[in-house]
Amino acid sequence: GAVVSQHPSRVICKSGTSVKIECRSLDFQATTMFWYRQFPKQSLMLMATSNEGSKATYEQGVEKDKFLINHASLTLSTLTVTSAHPEDSSFYICSARDQGAGTPEAFFGQGTRLTVV
Amino acid sequence: AQKITQTQPGMFVQEKEAVTLDCTYDTSDPSYGLFWYKQPSSGEMIFLIYQGSYDQQNATEGRYSLNFQKARKSANLVISASQLGDSAMYFCAILGHTDKLIFGTGTRLQVFP
Repeated sequence: GAVVSQHPSRVICKSGTSVKIECRSLDFQATTMFWYRQFPKQSLMLMATSNEGSKATYEQGVEKDKFLINHASLTLSTLTVTSAHPEDSSFYICSARDQGAGTPEAFFGQGTRLTVV
Repeated sequence: AQKITQTQPGMFVQEKEAVTLDCTYDTSDPSYGLFWYKQPSSGEMIFLIYQGSYDQQNATEGRYSLNFQKARKSANLVISASQLGDSAMYFCAILGHTDKLIFGTGTRLQVFP
């Protein structure tokens, strides 16, 4: 199947700093990528849809100024958590579908475990 | 709006036995897809199986099969011949016209020897 690579896998940052998470589709182009957040023992909650060459669309309740999304190329989307606080500590994971292959499944990155201290 | 409900927070099964994980859904889309993903403790999301709403036959992928009952809006996952490595969280998800994959709350499966 298609490969989505996410980096870093783990990050610890100080409160008030910003953290950038990268999501790359390695063997296909993705005009759309999706960012999810998962708290411990909970489900994946969709945060936003990243659109190549245009603004991301955010789900209700997600602060767009706090979670900046950039999708500058067909293989890369980035999520920046700005002015991070301990409550932003969570597991962030991206996904994309290989629409060129015509298969419906979404492929996920490895996820990023963010800890804000 | 689309919704997935997984009513079993946890399930236990003995190795080599079969287990069914329940999933019901709600959608107003005439065409949609249903997915099951496995999430081990490492956090990665592993695609298991897909069922399209217009597919006549239930999907199967190796030891995984999907018991799709459209009228009842259910898409249960059946894992046959359970293995210790099957212990993980299992998520059911739906994809509709919004192109967004919406997940249920998950079921934690534990396989014991």
